[in-house]
Amino acid sequence: DVVMTQSPLSLPVTLGQAVSISCRSSQSLVYSDGNTFLNWYLQRPGQSPRRLIFKVSNRDSGAPDRFSGSGSGTDFTLKISRVEAEDVGVYYCMQGTHWPRTFGQGTKVEIK
Amino acid sequence: EVQLLESGGDLVQPGGSLRLSCAASGFTFSSFAMSWVRQAPGKGLEWVSGISESGGTTWYADSVKGRFTISRDNSENTLCLQMNSLRAEDTAVYYCARGVVAPGLWGQGTLVTVSS
Repeated sequence: DVVMTQSPLSLPVTLGQAVSISCRSSQSLVYSDGNTFLNWYLQRPGQSPRRLIFKVSNRDSGAPDRFSGSGSGTDFTLKISRVEAEDVGVYYCMQGTHWPRTFGQGTKVEIK
Repeated sequence: EVQLLESGGDLVQPGGSLRLSCAASGFTFSSFAMSWVRQAPGKGLEWVSGISESGGTTWYADSVKGRFTISRDNSENTLCLQMNSLRAEDTAVYYCARGVVAPGLWGQGTLVTVSS
């Protein structure tokens, strides 16, 4: 199975701060059609996960533009340009290229 | 309203069986592959199983292969997960989600507890 490794696992932040979360895969996530199926999710406390980013850098409608995704191959990053209070929760990367699908361990973002 | 609504979660003894359902509404269910994802208490997300639009192809995590069966009824807009030979480590909130490449719509989840 493809192992997804996130860092850091805990991220205390200050409101307005810019932050980055890293996600690395044990195999390339480039599919045979050339697409790279790497997604980012946010799970707020007590809620279901919500997709923020799909195919590395495509932001979902409704996801604020302070969220951006980048990367290629096996190395990916989620950036929040200016953290707001509503961004608190656990962020997961997930690969949709290989079977079985796999998630990273999660990165918990909290306000200092 | 576009939504997924899971049901069927319960307390079950080790070795027992349970059938989860997910009712889809507000979109053309038969046009989407579907997934089940679970989350053990206080833990991260684990993808469990997926099924193609027609139901003709299914995929499973190694941890549930041979014990769980995913199915769908496109006439009833329903996704199911039959869980047999349940173990304590299957205890989790089970979410159904739309899509198998980048699940973008999730239900609220249903809790399965495996304990004697």
